[in-house]
Parts: sequence; structure tokens; C-alpha cells
Amino acid sequence: EPEVTQTPSHQVTQMGQEVILRCVPISNHLYFYWYRQILGQKVEFLVSFYNNEISEKSEIFDDQFSVERPDGSNFTLKIRSTKLEDSAMYFCASQGQGYEQYFGPGTRLTVT
Amino acid sequence: AQSVTQLGSHVSVSEGALVLLRCNYSSSVPPYLFWYVQYPNQGLQLLLKYTSAATLVKGINGFEAEFKKSETSFHLTKPSAHMSDAAEYFCAVSGGNTGFQKLVFGTGTRLLVSP
Repeated sequence: EPEVTQTPSHQVTQMGQEVILRCVPISNHLYFYWYRQILGQKVEFLVSFYNNEISEKSEIFDDQFSVERPDGSNFTLKIRSTKLEDSAMYFCASQGQGYEQYFGPGTRLTVT
Repeated sequence: AQSVTQLGSHVSVSEGALVLLRCNYSSSVPPYLFWYVQYPNQGLQLLLKYTSAATLVKGINGFEAEFKKSETSFHLTKPSAHMSDAAEYFCAVSGGNTGFQKLVFGTGTRLLVSP
């Protein structure tokens, strides 16, 4: 069964460093999303992406964040200069013609 | 705008007992509603969805949910709990009739199942 994959599973970085989180969505899906879950809190929407451009972004998704689909298969989230409060689990999701979003296993980002 | 309220951050049941996890939503457009389950250190797995067809929706692992517009509710039930059901459950809403929309999640309910 097709699934969304994410790498790395865990990333530790120092404050101020750039990180790139990678996702491989399900191959025939058209819509892509990033969400994050700070430890003990609810899952929050960051950004949606369709047809190679951002469709919607939340107030969390400021100028430090960017997304890209560089090669038609990968979908990346970049944080330019990480802050302590960026520590969270980041989930990628993809959606096909149906209405359900399929989530990857997540990348746990720890900023020290 | 959409929002979800999940009553009860923790629900404890005995194995074999009825599971009832509550979800109320608010939406300015006809909602699409979802239940996801998250096992420890894992991602979110879709349990079931409501997308304006049948109001009683059956999902995986014996779970079902009923959409009640008059009560703005979408409660999740399972007749008989199993130890393997212990996990965190998230209700989510989207204003789904435009093709794709972000999901707005509730705060989650942790289900504890005792022998």
C-alpha cells in the first residue's frame, strides 16, 4: 500500500541553523501539506501546496519557512534559522482525488 | 472558519467496554470530518471520514462515528475496546467541498484501556 515517507526521523540542530525536512508523498497525489505538533499539543497546520505553489499558509509559517517540490517527487520544508520554539514533530501529508489526507510518520526536530 | 472541541483529554475504559470519544465542531461551511489515531512515536492514521454521504460512518478496527448536524457532533464509538486501541485520537474538520482544505485538529483524547 502506498505511503508517505519522511526523512530524517529525528533531526537535532543548533539554534540559528538551517534545516531541511524531506517528504515523499504518495506518487499520484496532487495536494501536499505540512503540519507540526509541539510536544503535548495539538497538530497545527503550517502550509498547503498545489500545482507548485503555496495555496494557504498559517501565521506560524513566517519568512523563516519555505517549501519546495524540487524534482516532482520530494516535498521539502526548510527552516532558515531555527529557534528553540521550532522544536516539534513535523508531519507531511498528501491528498489525492479523495478528501482524506495521508500522513507520514513525522520528523522530530530538536533545536538546542 | 472551522474549529474542533474534544471533550476529555483522557478516557479510560476496561477491555471489552464501550468506547465513546466526543467531538464537537464549528464550521461556517458544510464540514468534512475525520478521526485520526496516533500510536506512540508514530504518525497519524486515518480511522474514518465523513464527507456528506451517509451520516453513520464505519472505519477501520471496528470504529464508527455518526455525524449529527443538529448537535454539531461527530463522536467516535467502538462497541468493545481492545488493549491495542490504546492510543491518542484526534478529530479534525475541513471545509472540504472545494477540493482540498487544511485540516483543523482538536486537542486529542488519549484512550487508556485496562485489562
